[in-house]
Amino acid sequence: AQKITQTQPGMFVQEKEAVTLDCTYDTSDQSYGLFWYKQPSSGEMIFLIYQGSYDEQNATEGRYSLNFQKARKSANLVISASQLGDSAMYFCAMREGRDTGNQFYFGTGTSLTVIP
Amino acid sequence: NAGVTQTPKFQVLKTGQSMTLQCAQDMNHNSMYWYRQDPGMGLRLIYYSASEGTTDKGEVPNGYNVSRLNKREFSLRLESAAPSQTSVYFCASRDRGRAGELFFGEGSRLTVL
Repeated sequence: AQKITQTQPGMFVQEKEAVTLDCTYDTSDQSYGLFWYKQPSSGEMIFLIYQGSYDEQNATEGRYSLNFQKARKSANLVISASQLGDSAMYFCAMREGRDTGNQFYFGTGTSLTVIP
Repeated sequence: NAGVTQTPKFQVLKTGQSMTLQCAQDMNHNSMYWYRQDPGMGLRLIYYSASEGTTDKGEVPNGYNVSRLNKREFSLRLESAAPSQTSVYFCASRDRGRAGELFFGEGSRLTVL
């Protein structure tokens, strides 16, 4: 079974609008972390936001927020007020456990295009 | 402020040739990782090293070997390259912070003819 599932290969959003990128995960661990990364066309991987499994509040970082629904095992990324520079691939990832040696699992990504 | 440095950035090999991708981090992180990225497949873990002196297989280890030379350096070796190993390779490192996120290198694009 896939550890991370991103069902939207491509998304379009109008500039200044909000967009939600979907992510569901599969784990039996009680302690885990959820991450979103951005990969622009230049290729580097940029860390955006983190949500711990025990965090009661949804994580926010500037225009990024993570809609964490533990019972549904979903960790959707919400980008508010989209900008042209938000056009990129977005990857959802999960780390099981808390130790430094744990594996990270990535989804297949969502390509976001912001339309002027 | 180098972070994670990978070399080379680009490489073209012929089938059967060998090569080593080098990775070094200057953040004093314990864990290091090698991923490959293929279109439509996301990032898949090849090998990782939880700490100096240890290495473990990830999802797609076949055809690769790794060496954790010291705390800073983690190399990935292709002994006999195959066209299926054409990919972009990322090295990453992390430590035990609140998030413990991965810090990535810029990637190495490898083409096997």
